[in-house]
Amino acid sequence: DTGVSQDPRHKITKRGQNVTFRCDPISEHNRLYWYRQTLGQGPEFLTYFQNEAQLEKSRLLSDRFSAERPKGSFSTLEIQRTEQGDSAMYLCASSVWTGVSYNEQFFGPGTRLTVL
Amino acid sequence: DAKTTQPNSMESNEEEPVHLPCNHSTISGTDYIHWYRQLPSQGPEYVIHGLTSNVNNRMASLAIAEDRKSSTLILHRATLRDAAVYYCILRDGGYNKLIFGAGTRLAVHP
Repeated sequence: DTGVSQDPRHKITKRGQNVTFRCDPISEHNRLYWYRQTLGQGPEFLTYFQNEAQLEKSRLLSDRFSAERPKGSFSTLEIQRTEQGDSAMYLCASSVWTGVSYNEQFFGPGTRLTVL
Repeated sequence: DAKTTQPNSMESNEEEPVHLPCNHSTISGTDYIHWYRQLPSQGPEYVIHGLTSNVNNRMASLAIAEDRKSSTLILHRATLRDAAVYYCILRDGGYNKLIFGAGTRLAVHP
Protein backbone atom coordinates (compact mmCIF):
# COMPACT_ATOMS: atom_id res chain seq x y z
CA ASP A 1 0.00 0.00 0.00
CA THR A 2 1.55 3.23 -1.13
CA GLY A 3 -0.66 5.78 0.57
CA VAL A 4 -3.87 7.69 -0.01
CA SER A 5 -4.88 7.85 -3.66
CA GLN A 6 -7.30 10.19 -5.33
CA ASP A 7 -8.93 10.06 -8.72
CA PRO A 8 -8.97 11.98 -10.95
CA ARG A 9 -5.97 14.19 -10.33
CA HIS A 10 -7.41 16.96 -12.50
CA LYS A 11 -10.94 17.74 -13.58
CA ILE A 12 -12.13 20.53 -15.84
CA THR A 13 -15.85 21.02 -16.08
CA LYS A 14 -18.38 23.57 -17.20
CA ARG A 15 -20.50 25.50 -14.74
CA GLY A 16 -23.67 23.62 -13.91
CA GLN A 17 -22.24 20.15 -14.45
CA ASN A 18 -21.95 17.50 -11.73
CA VAL A 19 -18.57 16.06 -10.75
CA THR A 20 -17.54 13.16 -8.55
CA PHE A 21 -14.18 12.53 -6.95
CA ARG A 22 -12.92 9.32 -5.41
CA CYS A 23 -10.56 8.78 -2.50
CA ASP A 24 -8.97 5.48 -1.52
CA PRO A 25 -7.51 5.70 2.00
CA ILE A 26 -4.66 3.69 3.39
CA SER A 27 -5.81 0.14 4.12
CA GLU A 28 -7.33 -0.29 7.58
CA HIS A 29 -7.52 3.45 8.20
CA ASN A 30 -11.00 3.88 9.59
CA ARG A 31 -11.10 7.68 9.54
CA LEU A 32 -11.34 9.54 6.27
CA TYR A 33 -11.36 13.32 5.84
CA TRP A 34 -12.12 15.71 2.99
CA TYR A 35 -10.58 19.17 2.76
CA ARG A 36 -10.69 21.93 0.15
CA GLN A 37 -7.79 24.24 -0.65
CA THR A 38 -7.89 27.40 -2.74
CA LEU A 39 -4.80 29.11 -4.10
CA GLY A 40 -2.61 30.65 -1.42
CA GLN A 41 -4.73 29.38 1.46
CA GLY A 42 -4.39 26.48 3.85
CA PRO A 43 -6.74 23.52 3.46
CA GLU A 44 -10.26 23.92 4.88
CA PHE A 45 -12.04 21.03 6.54
CA LEU A 46 -15.19 19.79 4.77
CA THR A 47 -16.24 16.53 6.39
CA TYR A 48 -15.01 13.31 7.94
CA PHE A 49 -16.05 9.68 8.28
CA GLN A 50 -15.39 7.05 10.86
CA ASN A 51 -15.89 3.82 9.00
CA GLU A 52 -19.07 4.42 7.00
CA ALA A 53 -20.55 7.00 9.37
CA GLN A 54 -20.25 10.67 8.45
CA LEU A 55 -19.58 12.26 11.83
CA GLU A 56 -19.06 15.93 11.04
CA LYS A 57 -19.79 18.30 8.18
CA SER A 58 -18.51 21.85 7.86
CA ARG A 59 -20.80 24.76 7.10
CA LEU A 60 -18.73 25.06 3.93
CA LEU A 61 -20.41 21.89 2.69
CA SER A 62 -23.46 23.32 0.98
CA ASP A 63 -26.43 21.26 -0.16
CA ARG A 64 -24.74 20.84 -3.52
CA PHE A 65 -21.99 18.77 -1.91
CA SER A 66 -22.45 15.20 -0.79
CA ALA A 67 -19.92 12.69 0.47
CA GLU A 68 -20.28 8.99 1.01
CA ARG A 69 -18.20 6.11 2.29
CA PRO A 70 -20.55 3.22 1.69
CA LYS A 71 -18.51 0.28 2.95
CA GLY A 72 -16.10 2.11 5.17
CA SER A 73 -13.34 1.88 2.59
CA PHE A 74 -13.19 4.32 -0.34
CA SER A 75 -15.12 7.58 -0.33
CA THR A 76 -16.70 9.76 -2.98
CA LEU A 77 -17.31 13.50 -2.96
CA GLU A 78 -19.93 14.75 -5.40
CA ILE A 79 -20.56 18.36 -6.32
CA GLN A 80 -23.82 19.06 -8.12
CA ARG A 81 -24.43 22.10 -10.34
CA THR A 82 -20.84 23.26 -10.07
CA GLU A 83 -20.07 26.96 -9.75
CA GLN A 84 -16.88 28.82 -10.56
CA GLY A 85 -16.32 29.29 -6.84
CA ASP A 86 -15.98 25.53 -6.48
CA SER A 87 -12.65 25.66 -8.32
CA ALA A 88 -10.10 24.39 -5.82
CA MET A 89 -7.91 21.47 -4.83
CA TYR A 90 -9.92 18.78 -3.06
CA LEU A 91 -7.78 16.82 -0.61
CA CYS A 92 -8.51 13.53 1.08
CA ALA A 93 -6.76 12.25 4.19
CA SER A 94 -7.00 9.17 6.36
CA SER A 95 -5.93 8.18 9.85
CA VAL A 96 -5.97 5.14 12.10
CA TRP A 97 -6.60 4.47 15.75
CA THR A 98 -3.24 3.71 17.37
CA GLY A 99 -4.72 2.24 20.50
CA VAL A 100 -4.28 5.54 22.30
CA SER A 101 -5.49 8.15 19.85
CA TYR A 102 -5.82 9.13 16.21
CA ASN A 103 -2.65 10.97 15.43
CA GLU A 104 -1.31 11.93 12.08
CA GLN A 105 -3.42 12.30 9.00
CA PHE A 106 -2.03 10.99 5.73
CA PHE A 107 -3.02 13.13 2.76
CA GLY A 108 -3.52 12.17 -0.85
CA PRO A 109 -2.20 14.24 -3.78
CA GLY A 110 -5.56 15.96 -4.28
CA THR A 111 -7.95 16.47 -7.16
CA ARG A 112 -7.70 19.87 -8.82
CA LEU A 113 -11.09 21.06 -10.02
CA THR A 114 -11.45 23.87 -12.53
CA VAL A 115 -14.96 25.12 -13.27
CA LEU A 116 -15.21 27.15 -16.48
CA ASP B 1 -10.81 26.04 17.71
CA ALA B 2 -7.81 27.89 19.08
CA LYS B 3 -5.87 29.99 16.59
CA THR B 4 -2.20 30.09 15.75
CA THR B 5 -0.09 32.93 14.40
CA GLN B 6 2.86 32.32 12.10
CA PRO B 7 5.03 34.59 9.97
CA ASN B 8 3.95 34.62 6.33
CA SER B 9 7.37 33.71 5.02
CA MET B 10 10.93 32.89 6.04
CA GLU B 11 14.16 32.25 4.21
CA SER B 12 17.11 30.04 4.97
CA ASN B 13 20.30 28.87 3.38
CA GLU B 14 20.94 25.24 2.65
CA GLU B 15 22.52 23.23 5.50
CA GLU B 16 21.71 25.90 8.08
CA PRO B 17 19.26 25.41 10.95
CA VAL B 18 15.79 26.90 10.61
CA HIS B 19 13.56 27.95 13.48
CA LEU B 20 9.90 28.36 12.53
CA PRO B 21 7.90 30.12 15.25
CA CYS B 22 4.24 29.74 16.13
CA ASN B 23 2.20 31.67 18.67
CA HIS B 24 -0.86 30.11 20.23
CA SER B 25 -1.71 32.25 23.24
CA THR B 26 -5.25 30.85 23.60
CA ILE B 27 -4.18 27.21 23.71
CA SER B 28 -6.18 25.03 26.08
CA GLY B 29 -4.86 22.28 28.31
CA THR B 30 -6.04 19.52 26.00
CA ASP B 31 -4.70 21.00 22.75
CA TYR B 32 -1.84 19.20 21.09
CA ILE B 33 0.50 21.22 18.86
CA HIS B 34 0.82 19.66 15.42
CA TRP B 35 3.02 20.66 12.50
CA TYR B 36 2.36 19.72 8.92
CA ARG B 37 4.11 20.86 5.78
CA GLN B 38 3.01 21.05 2.19
CA LEU B 39 5.53 20.70 -0.58
CA PRO B 40 4.67 22.27 -3.93
CA SER B 41 1.90 20.42 -5.79
CA GLN B 42 1.46 17.87 -3.01
CA GLY B 43 -0.93 17.24 -0.14
CA PRO B 44 0.18 18.19 3.37
CA GLU B 45 2.38 15.78 5.27
CA TYR B 46 2.75 15.31 9.01
CA VAL B 47 5.96 16.58 10.56
CA ILE B 48 5.71 16.33 14.33
CA HIS B 49 3.42 16.93 17.30
CA GLY B 50 3.68 17.47 21.03
CA LEU B 51 1.76 18.41 24.15
CA THR B 52 4.14 19.84 26.76
CA SER B 53 7.59 18.39 26.38
CA ASN B 54 10.01 19.01 23.55
CA VAL B 55 9.87 16.32 20.87
CA ASN B 56 12.34 15.02 18.32
CA ASN B 57 11.90 12.80 15.31
CA ARG B 58 13.79 12.09 12.13
CA MET B 59 12.34 15.12 10.38
CA ALA B 60 12.51 17.87 12.98
CA SER B 61 12.40 18.96 16.60
CA LEU B 62 9.56 20.73 18.35
CA ALA B 63 10.36 23.10 21.19
CA ILE B 64 7.36 24.05 23.33
CA ALA B 65 7.44 27.04 25.68
CA GLU B 66 6.88 26.31 29.33
CA ASP B 67 3.56 28.21 29.31
CA ARG B 68 2.65 26.47 26.01
CA LYS B 69 1.69 29.78 24.43
CA SER B 70 4.28 29.42 21.71
CA SER B 71 6.33 26.74 20.01
CA THR B 72 9.14 26.47 17.50
CA LEU B 73 9.68 23.91 14.79
CA ILE B 74 13.39 23.32 14.27
CA LEU B 75 14.86 21.92 11.08
CA HIS B 76 18.44 21.16 12.03
CA ARG B 77 19.97 21.34 8.55
CA ALA B 78 17.73 22.73 5.87
CA THR B 79 17.84 21.15 2.44
CA LEU B 80 16.32 22.35 -0.80
CA ARG B 81 13.63 19.69 -0.33
CA ASP B 82 12.49 21.42 2.85
CA ALA B 83 11.13 24.36 0.85
CA ALA B 84 7.43 24.18 1.65
CA VAL B 85 4.56 25.82 3.52
CA TYR B 86 4.69 24.86 7.20
CA TYR B 87 1.47 24.82 9.18
CA CYS B 88 1.23 25.00 12.96
CA ILE B 89 -2.09 23.55 14.12
CA LEU B 90 -3.75 23.09 17.48
CA ARG B 91 -5.70 19.91 17.71
CA ASP B 92 -7.95 19.08 20.63
CA GLY B 93 -8.08 15.79 22.42
CA GLY B 94 -10.81 14.61 20.07
CA TYR B 95 -8.19 14.23 17.32
CA ASN B 96 -10.64 15.11 14.61
CA LYS B 97 -10.36 17.76 11.95
CA LEU B 98 -7.29 19.86 11.34
CA ILE B 99 -7.80 23.63 11.23
CA PHE B 100 -5.11 25.07 8.96
CA GLY B 101 -4.06 28.71 8.93
CA ALA B 102 -2.09 30.30 6.12
CA GLY B 103 1.18 28.83 7.34
CA THR B 104 4.77 29.98 6.82
CA ARG B 105 6.27 29.68 3.38
CA LEU B 106 9.90 28.60 3.78
CA ALA B 107 12.34 29.32 0.98
CA VAL B 108 15.71 27.53 1.08
CA HIS B 109 18.57 29.00 -0.93
CA PRO B 110 21.53 26.96 -2.23
